[in-house]
Amino acid sequence: GAVVSQHPSWVICKSGTSVKIECRSLDFQATTMFWYRQFPKQSLMLMATSNEGSKATYEQGVEKDKFLINHASLTLSTLTVTSAHPEDSSFYICSASSWAGYTFGSGTRLTVV
Amino acid sequence: RKEVEQDPGPFNVPEGATVAFNCTYSNSASQSFFWYRQDCRKEPKLLMSVYSSGNEDGRFTAQLNRASQYISLLIRDSKLSDSATYLCVVYSSASKIIFGSGTRLSIRP
Repeated sequence: GAVVSQHPSWVICKSGTSVKIECRSLDFQATTMFWYRQFPKQSLMLMATSNEGSKATYEQGVEKDKFLINHASLTLSTLTVTSAHPEDSSFYICSASSWAGYTFGSGTRLTVV
Repeated sequence: RKEVEQDPGPFNVPEGATVAFNCTYSNSASQSFFWYRQDCRKEPKLLMSVYSSGNEDGRFTAQLNRASQYISLLIRDSKLSDSATYLCVVYSSASKIIFGSGTRLSIRP
């Protein structure tokens, strides 16, 4: 139980385009989801906390206009990387809290060329 | 100073060896502590929780020392499949999760 499904698992996009990443809680309701970014050989860094029905809370240094978060339902949160640049290439992971603790999505590897 | 600091590794040990990792945290109000395992290009997965009384799960033992503000993970009789990055995770509150930078472990035959 407590599965978080994340799509796509990998994506390659051209510089300047936007990419949407979805994170779904399959068997539980997630009022709060977390979005992380991980660069190679580094730890996960919290980008923002996504709250169902309200605005996301962004960590210091994360541009809210560039990383758009929408949490319109109790089972779905999306992260849109707008006007992507090569430096946005990274591993993006979502997580949600459930009865099983914090469960992570399988991650999305974004490569911007 | 980082909120959570972890042995950077990498640790390269022979199969069957015992290896230990440490992790220190700066916020004395931190509430919960965990060790996660992350394989290359995969999401982190919960390995075990860490309690003040210590807890053991097979070959893995986790300890918490609140007075000194550190947690540890001990792996006995290491296996090749234990090769991964081990992340120390501290929950300061219900909405604040801090990850350590991870310790890379490589077990050689």
